[in-house]
Amino acid sequence: AQSVAQPEDQVNVAEGNPLTVKCTYSVSGNPYLFWYVQYPNRGLQFLLKYITGDNLVKGSYGFEAEFNKSQTSFHLKKPSALVSDSALYFCAVNSDRGSTLGRLYFGRGTQLTVWP
Amino acid sequence: SQTIHQWPATLVQPVGSPLSLECTVEGTSNPNLYWYRQAAGRGLQLLFYSVGIGQISSEVPQNLSASRPQDRQFILSSKKLLLSDSGFYLCAWSKDSGNPYEQYFGPGTRLTVT
Repeated sequence: AQSVAQPEDQVNVAEGNPLTVKCTYSVSGNPYLFWYVQYPNRGLQFLLKYITGDNLVKGSYGFEAEFNKSQTSFHLKKPSALVSDSALYFCAVNSDRGSTLGRLYFGRGTQLTVWP
Repeated sequence: SQTIHQWPATLVQPVGSPLSLECTVEGTSNPNLYWYRQAAGRGLQLLFYSVGIGQISSEVPQNLSASRPQDRQFILSSKKLLLSDSGFYLCAWSKDSGNPYEQYFGPGTRLTVT
């Protein structure tokens, strides 16, 4: 069965500092990994994905994520946080052996707060 | 380009009343469609998904039902709302081929059952 864990409910960081939002996964087969962001009372917005290839994936708004197969992790990072990055972040997973076409398994979400 | 619409944006309904939320997708054909519920601003619960007209799969038993009367239309319904049905309802779509796992979300409907 596919699953994803976001071990931190809340991440707080000062503006200008680097940020990391953690995600670990468990899948059968090769993983497909995604990060989404949600602003208050809005739908989820796609940030980036890993399907295959380079382990370092670059996405929207200066975010990047590193796929680490041995640690089954896909942590979201940004070198310099902005106050406007404050939002709820979701990691999601499926795999090339996913039995339900197109379905994603989401983590519980991590609330990122960047203070000025 | 593809767009996804949901309406209404907000809804306040009394317990026991019916519900109909609508989701439509433009700019693509034969999408996979999904209904999620998000409670208390946190985790997403997949309620239903559909891979084609009239094809609905339910993830959890509940007071809700879904229908897909047209290729790009997905409707979430209830005959009698419960207080526990309150939440933020999100519709999403993905491609039916290529990379089907990247989902695109609508703006959501905030439902409050009183």
